[in-house]
Amino acid sequence: EPEVTQTPSHQVTQMGQEVILRCVPISNHLYFYWYRQILGQKVEFLVSFYNNEISEKSEIFDDQFSVERPDGSNFTLKIRSTKLEDSAMYFCASSARGLAGALNTGELFFGEGSRLTVL
Amino acid sequence: RKEVEQDPGPFNVPEGATVAFNCTYSNSASQSFFWYRQDCRKEPKLLMSVYSSGNEDGRFTAQLNRASQYISLLIRDSKLSDSATYLCVVNRGAAGNKLTFGGGTRVLVKP
Repeated sequence: EPEVTQTPSHQVTQMGQEVILRCVPISNHLYFYWYRQILGQKVEFLVSFYNNEISEKSEIFDDQFSVERPDGSNFTLKIRSTKLEDSAMYFCASSARGLAGALNTGELFFGEGSRLTVL
Repeated sequence: RKEVEQDPGPFNVPEGATVAFNCTYSNSASQSFFWYRQDCRKEPKLLMSVYSSGNEDGRFTAQLNRASQYISLLIRDSKLSDSATYLCVVNRGAAGNKLTFGGGTRVLVKP
């Protein structure tokens, strides 16, 4: 069964360091997302990406964050200068179709997540 | 008001019993509704979509009340494997390519 894969599974970094989280979405999907979940809290939307550009981003996704699809398979999230409050599980997800409107299946396929710990 | 609000629980359920819980959403423009399941420290997975007329998937029944802006999930004949956090998820209608997750309702099924 096709799946979304993420690396690394766990990364520990010092505050102020740059971090890149990598994701390989399902190959025939066109929409890509990053969500995060701080321990004990809800899953929060960060950004959606379609047709090589950001289609939507949340307030969390400030100038410290960026996404890229450097080739035909990878989708990366970069945090330029990590803060303590960036410690969270970061989930990459993909979908075959967009999620707007009433006719979507709502199925996001999530990767297993990358746990980021900022010290 | 939170976009999607859920009772965090936990709901402690004897095996074989029925459990039901709701979620409320604030955006009246939301058009699509879903229940996702999240096991401890794992990724969320789609459990079922929620349709206007209500729908069943095996032991799971979902209902939507647009007038009061809530959706519900009922689990019949609970199994130990149903222990998980159930996430209420909505879209923002025609605008925006994202799903908004509630904080989840934790269900613990006990023998």
